[in-house]
Amino acid sequence: DAGVIQSPRHEVTEMGQEVTLRCKPISGHDYLFWYRQTMMRGLELLIYFNNNVPIDDSGMPEDRFSAKMPNASFSTLKIQPSEPRDSAVYFCASSFRDRSTDTQYFGPGTRLTVL
Amino acid sequence: RKEVEQDPGPFNVPEGATVAFNCTYSNSASQSFFWYRQDCRKEPKLLMSVYSSGNEDGRFTAQLNRASQYISLLIRDSKLSDSATYLCVVIRGSGNTGKLIFGQGTTLQVKP
Repeated sequence: DAGVIQSPRHEVTEMGQEVTLRCKPISGHDYLFWYRQTMMRGLELLIYFNNNVPIDDSGMPEDRFSAKMPNASFSTLKIQPSEPRDSAVYFCASSFRDRSTDTQYFGPGTRLTVL
Repeated sequence: RKEVEQDPGPFNVPEGATVAFNCTYSNSASQSFFWYRQDCRKEPKLLMSVYSSGNEDGRFTAQLNRASQYISLLIRDSKLSDSATYLCVVIRGSGNTGKLIFGQGTTLQVKP
């Protein structure tokens, strides 16, 4: 399996622009997670889906952030409009939860810089 | 107070040393515990789960003390390749709806 795939790997944009980050989870996984990592705040869970349905979006910073999962093999995280404080590494992770394991497999991340 | 707290380090140790990392968590309802490893500019990867009875994987030993809400990771005979950031992870809640909460990470630098 190719693992979790994220695109783009790097994104540089100007304040006010729309940014869309993409994720393809590992085939067969039924949970998908979006995280943000910064030096100041560490790794924070933004939102997660189970079987394509958003379960907990309490970590989404504000209305400028939105996430969708139209099918089991694709999810997007959108920031509109973007601000410099959104600069971070955004990770997507997927898992197949059962009673014995809860391993999350992370993608390589998208490094976002908002100027 | 953060829900999961770790000493950020960095821990600078020579090759062959034994090093221990500690982690405390504040939510007594937490059910599952893990250590993840993150190399510089890479994604986090699961290192090992932490069980109440303690568990060992080669040079790595993880322990859990539920009464003190404390988790530890011991690395024996450290190698240069162990240099990384080690993230303590706690699942808040139970079952399949639990949420992973990550500590800030402890940075380890193993020197020749």
